[in-house]
Amino acid sequence: SQQGEEDPQALSIQEGENATMNCSYKTSINNLQWYRQNSGRGLVHLILIRSNEREKHSGRLRVTLDTSKKSSSLLITASRAADTASYFCATMKTSYDKVIFGPGTSLSVIP
Amino acid sequence: EAQVTQNPRYLITVTGKKLTVTCSQNMNHEYMSWYRQDPGLGLRQIYYSMNVEVTDKGDVPEGYKVSRKEKRNFPLILESPSPNQTSLYFCASSPTGGIAKNIQYFGAGTRLSVL
Repeated sequence: SQQGEEDPQALSIQEGENATMNCSYKTSINNLQWYRQNSGRGLVHLILIRSNEREKHSGRLRVTLDTSKKSSSLLITASRAADTASYFCATMKTSYDKVIFGPGTSLSVIP
Repeated sequence: EAQVTQNPRYLITVTGKKLTVTCSQNMNHEYMSWYRQDPGLGLRQIYYSMNVEVTDKGDVPEGYKVSRKEKRNFPLILESPSPNQTSLYFCASSPTGGIAKNIQYFGAGTRLSVL
């Protein structure tokens, strides 16, 4: 069962621009997480947002969560070539449940 | 250094030959998990474990076995591998409490080819 769905599937921007990726999910959640993956390597955690939170920031990253629309967005500001990677959202219904990943957004930042 | 270690990193095998991929973490995390990643499908969870001797099926458990006899280790067993299990596999662990609750730490991955 696919819980998270990212949009767009692929995104290409110029260095310095902002990148926005969206994630939609189908059932209630306890938390939603964003991860980055560089070309076939292990995933790296970016931000976790819990169901009672609406927005979180970490450096150039901003994540919002709208539980009424069952959606989240990840904003990367002032993008850099090093931000080129795939980005995945993942949800958990409870803190002790399985984790469901979306298919990911492939971001290319052109120098 | 805090890490999740998977072995081997690359494995080529033949249909039906039993294999085990090991996973070990040194962060005393309760939650451990196995995923497979296939092009266009993202990561799909195979099995997860909340603690020693407690395991649960993820979304794609068929053809896999796991065990959790010790907190730090969570091996993935393919009793009779088939070509459709050719994939990139990731192990991950996370704490179930504290400030880092539910944040997953991933291993480097195991690329498996079943011929």
